Amino acid sequence: DVVLTQTPLSSPVTLGQPASISCKSSQSLVNTDGNIYLSWLQQRPGQPPRLLIYKISDRFSGVPDRFSGSGAGTDFTLRISRVEAEDVGVYYCTQASHFPYTFGQGTKLEIK
Amino acid sequence: EVQLLESGGGLVQPGGSLRLSCIGSGFTFGTYAMNWVRQAPGKGLEWVSVITGGGGFTKDADSVKGRFTISRDNSKNTVYLQMNSLRAEDTAIYYCARETPGTLDYWGQGALVTVSS
Repeated sequence: DVVLTQTPLSSPVTLGQPASISCKSSQSLVNTDGNIYLSWLQQRPGQPPRLLIYKISDRFSGVPDRFSGSGAGTDFTLRISRVEAEDVGVYYCTQASHFPYTFGQGTKLEIK
Repeated sequence: EVQLLESGGGLVQPGGSLRLSCIGSGFTFGTYAMNWVRQAPGKGLEWVSVITGGGGFTKDADSVKGRFTISRDNSKNTVYLQMNSLRAEDTAIYYCARETPGTLDYWGQGALVTVSS
């Protein structure tokens, strides 16, 4: 199975400051169709997960442009350019290139 | 507006069965693969099962293989998860999620399943 390792697991951030979360894959995420299906999800407290970024760097509909994704190979990053109070929650990377689909452990973003 | 609504959760004894349902609206249901993902209390996300739009292909996590069965009825815009031989470690919130190629783009609110005597 593909193991996704996120760092840090907890990220205290000052409002208005940037935040960055890393996701490292244990193997290539290149699908048989040539795409890399690496996504980022946000889960606010008490809420279901919500898609932010798909295919490494494509922002989902309605997602603020302060969220961006990047990466290649087995290393991927989610960046928030200026953290707002509503960004508090847990962030997960996830891959759907290979079965079983897997998720990172989650990174808890909190405000300092 | 895409909406997914799960139902059927509850308290069940170890070894018991439960069937979850998820009704989709706001999109052409039969053209999308659907997934079940679960989250144990205070834990991370675990993928459970997927079924293609026409229902011809399914795949399950090893942790539920042989015990859980995913199915769908496109005439009712509904995907199901039949859960048998339930164990305490199956206790979780179960989410259904729509899949566009390579990503789970819309998620339901979840259904809580508690396995306890």
